[in-house]
Amino acid sequence: DADVTQTPRNRITKTGKRIMLECSQTKGHDRMYWYRQDPGLGLRLIYYSFDVKDINKGEISDGYSVSRQAQAKFSLSLESAIPNQTALYFCATCANTGELFFGEGSRLTVL
Amino acid sequence: AQSVTQLGSHVSVSEGALVLLRCNYSSSVPPYLFWYVQYPNQGLQLLLKYTSAATLVKGINGFEAEFKKSETSFHLTKPSAHMSDAAEYFCAVSDFSGANNLFFGTGTRLTVIP
Repeated sequence: DADVTQTPRNRITKTGKRIMLECSQTKGHDRMYWYRQDPGLGLRLIYYSFDVKDINKGEISDGYSVSRQAQAKFSLSLESAIPNQTALYFCATCANTGELFFGEGSRLTVL
Repeated sequence: AQSVTQLGSHVSVSEGALVLLRCNYSSSVPPYLFWYVQYPNQGLQLLLKYTSAATLVKGINGFEAEFKKSETSFHLTKPSAHMSDAAEYFCAVSDFSGANNLFFGTGTRLTVIP
């Protein structure tokens, strides 16, 4: 089983719908991250969390919210999806060495 | 502020040829630098990292990178390309300001020609 698991892996939705992407990890890491990947833009940080009581905005947090339900769970929500939120979303955890461990990604299409 | 620039969004090499993927960084503090690889339909995985120890860093699958402060570069190399090296490669710099955030380059897609 993967150490960092994302669900769903693929989702197609319509403009205005609420969407939740879920992430769970078995690495035991406190730090968790949500990134967005767009072609030609690399990965951009949406939100990050150091523990269940510490959540921080990244460089592109507008239109997104997160919830850290437990050390192992970190979910990303789009309250009202819009087409330019069509992207590949990655959850990651961070070891004390600074290495990130990524999930396999959630591909979201907003029509 | 930290940032990285990857020169060349696409690189093609013949199987057995040298692989050179370029990365230049900007950092207001001594940087920690990383190379990640992304195979199709997968997440990113760490190839190697520089954390202020040896300037020549060896990673997995025969890759290595050299930190050159004078050139603000951290280029990734492999002496002989394999078909299995075809992937997208990302250079990243960490601010280690407490957030431990990585700032990623825009990626270089490597194609290996048989």
